[in-house]
Amino acid sequence: AQTVTQSQPEMSVQEAETVTLSCTYDTSESDYYLFWYKQPPSRQMILVIRQEAYKQQNATENRFSVNFQKAAKSFSLKISDSQLGDAAMYFCAYEDNNDMRFGAGTRLTVKP
Amino acid sequence: NAGVTQTPKFQVLKTGQSMTLQCAQDMNHNSMYWYRQDPGMGLRLIYYSASEGTTDKGEVPNGYNVSRLNKREFSLRLESAAPSQTSVYFCASKGQGFVGRPYTQYFGPGTRLTVL
Repeated sequence: AQTVTQSQPEMSVQEAETVTLSCTYDTSESDYYLFWYKQPPSRQMILVIRQEAYKQQNATENRFSVNFQKAAKSFSLKISDSQLGDAAMYFCAYEDNNDMRFGAGTRLTVKP
Repeated sequence: NAGVTQTPKFQVLKTGQSMTLQCAQDMNHNSMYWYRQDPGMGLRLIYYSASEGTTDKGEVPNGYNVSRLNKREFSLRLESAAPSQTSVYFCASKGQGFVGRPYTQYFGPGTRLTVL
């Protein structure tokens, strides 16, 4: 079964600085999707960014960008110009054939 | 447009009691999902429905049943609740979101269930 590993249980960043959250996954598939979701204290799961495995170009969404290394099965999230509102749990997720697997999450703290 | 809605938001059960968690979406999506989230873990897939009339097991289906009532609604039933089923339950649907939103899974607000 596919597995997703987030090796950083907690991360901290100074406001306006840049932080990178790590994610690795294990799969034998060649066609799949990768996601980063944000979960604030409200519990709502909010899509941050999405990457199709067949696309070599890294996805970007305003201050959020990914570094997708397919051969290494690595999918890291970079948050630039961190804001207080970015503080939350961040989950990396892998999906193929309706089966979505999540990592255990990284708690991001933003210091003013 | 409400997106994905779930009822109830909170529920406390005694061991052995049964209940049904309700989920509805108004985005005309074909696929719907039920997840559970335990402390310190990511979401785990319980069941999913790729289209109206079909359901399939996910990673952790034991102790649960589902019904895809129609395209909009997908319910999760606990026949005999156990303390191990204490968790936060999320429903999701997959498809194109509202105008301008990407093709992905969209999640409801979650139900916090406690089994005593």
